Amino acid sequence: GAVVSQHPSWVICKSGTSVKIECRSLDFQATTMFWYRQFPKQSLMLMATSNEGSKATYEQGVEKDKFLINHASLTLSTLTVTSAHPEDSSFYICSARDAGGWEQYFGPGTRLTVT
Amino acid sequence: QQQVKQSPQSLIVQKGGISIINCAYENTAFDYFPWYQQFPGKGPALLIAIRPDVSEKKEGRFTISFNKSAKQFSLHIMDSQPGDSATYFCAASTGRRALTFGSGTRLQVQP
Repeated sequence: GAVVSQHPSWVICKSGTSVKIECRSLDFQATTMFWYRQFPKQSLMLMATSNEGSKATYEQGVEKDKFLINHASLTLSTLTVTSAHPEDSSFYICSARDAGGWEQYFGPGTRLTVT
Repeated sequence: QQQVKQSPQSLIVQKGGISIINCAYENTAFDYFPWYQQFPGKGPALLIAIRPDVSEKKEGRFTISFNKSAKQFSLHIMDSQPGDSATYFCAASTGRRALTFGSGTRLQVQP
């Protein structure tokens, strides 16, 4: 089956620093990747849509200068949380859609804690 | 309207019973309806999905029922097991765009 990996699985950083999260599709090519944020006991909220080779499309209310997304290849997208603050602490999950299909596969998530 | 409304919020079922989770949508442009299972601290895993050209799809113990006229779809888990205890999300999308998720249902299957 289609596998999506994320790295790191958890990270603790100090307020004001930046953190990069990687999302990789391991056995398929993903022209489109999505980044979600999930707070405890809540649903997934779409942050942005990332298309390979082009700029990401951000959802309303998501600061594009704070959450930098780069989709450098058909198998890799990165999310950088810049100048992190405690309120950015959350569970960040990426997903990837197979270039030829409808299914969207999710990574295992990254737990970010900002102290 | 992009909302997908999911119910119930939580569900307790006895082992061997049938778990039923319902979702309703407003956007008639939605044409892809997946269900995901999520365990604590993990990413969602795709369970089963349906397109609006069929009214039912079954994969193992999981069945999606789809009612296009009512704009509703549901997940049925037959012979529910304690290992099925997780949070389930319905979702919908238009074409290959991003998914819109329901609010989730926390299922607990009691042994």
